[in-house]
Amino acid sequence: KAGVTQTPRYLIKTRGQQVTLSCSPISGHRSVSWYQQTPGQGLQFLFEYFSETQRNKGNFPGRFSGRQFSNSRSEMNVSTLELGDSALYLCASSLRTPNTEAFFGQGTRLTVV
Amino acid sequence: GDSVTQMEGPVTLSEEAFLTINCTYTATGYPSLFWYVQYPGEGLQLLLKATKADDKGSNKGFEATYRKETTSFHLEKGSVQVSDSAVYFCALCLNTGGFKTIFGAGTRLFVKA
Repeated sequence: KAGVTQTPRYLIKTRGQQVTLSCSPISGHRSVSWYQQTPGQGLQFLFEYFSETQRNKGNFPGRFSGRQFSNSRSEMNVSTLELGDSALYLCASSLRTPNTEAFFGQGTRLTVV
Repeated sequence: GDSVTQMEGPVTLSEEAFLTINCTYTATGYPSLFWYVQYPGEGLQLLLKATKADDKGSNKGFEATYRKETTSFHLEKGSVQVSDSAVYFCALCLNTGGFKTIFGAGTRLFVKA
């Protein structure tokens, strides 16, 4: 069965621009979560979507937003990019119970210059 | 707030040495606990999990026991191999209205031949 697919794998953007990242979950998984991974801050939770609704949100500014479509695919958007937004953005899908594992994509490496 | 604390790395061991990576957590309610592993250039993948107190998760020679009294979930392996070199993340998952997985900072393990 296909895994979690994130596109694009690499992005270079300029400060002030906006960016949209995409995540296709494993078939049948309706929960999609997003994380930011940086060397200094580790892996930080951004938000979780289930059935097209944001169910949980981490402590990130409003520049970070997301959405989920009816086929469970999710997008994450970052507006007015800052240098500090450079990171690996990971998406994970799951069956949405606390006992089941999250399956991660390989991530999108965003570099802001 | 809810959090996961794991020992800082990097940890450097010789092949066949014993490994312990400490992990403690703070959580409201009764979380499920996980260890994820990230090999170079890849996303995270589940290593093992435990869903209630005194459960022992195990996989590929790694073990961890859910200790509610000490709020810990230490990862152990009796004899590490070079191929175990990776970053290890301890995590908890809670249902707080929405599902949220909180990760520790990660511990990088280097195993020398």
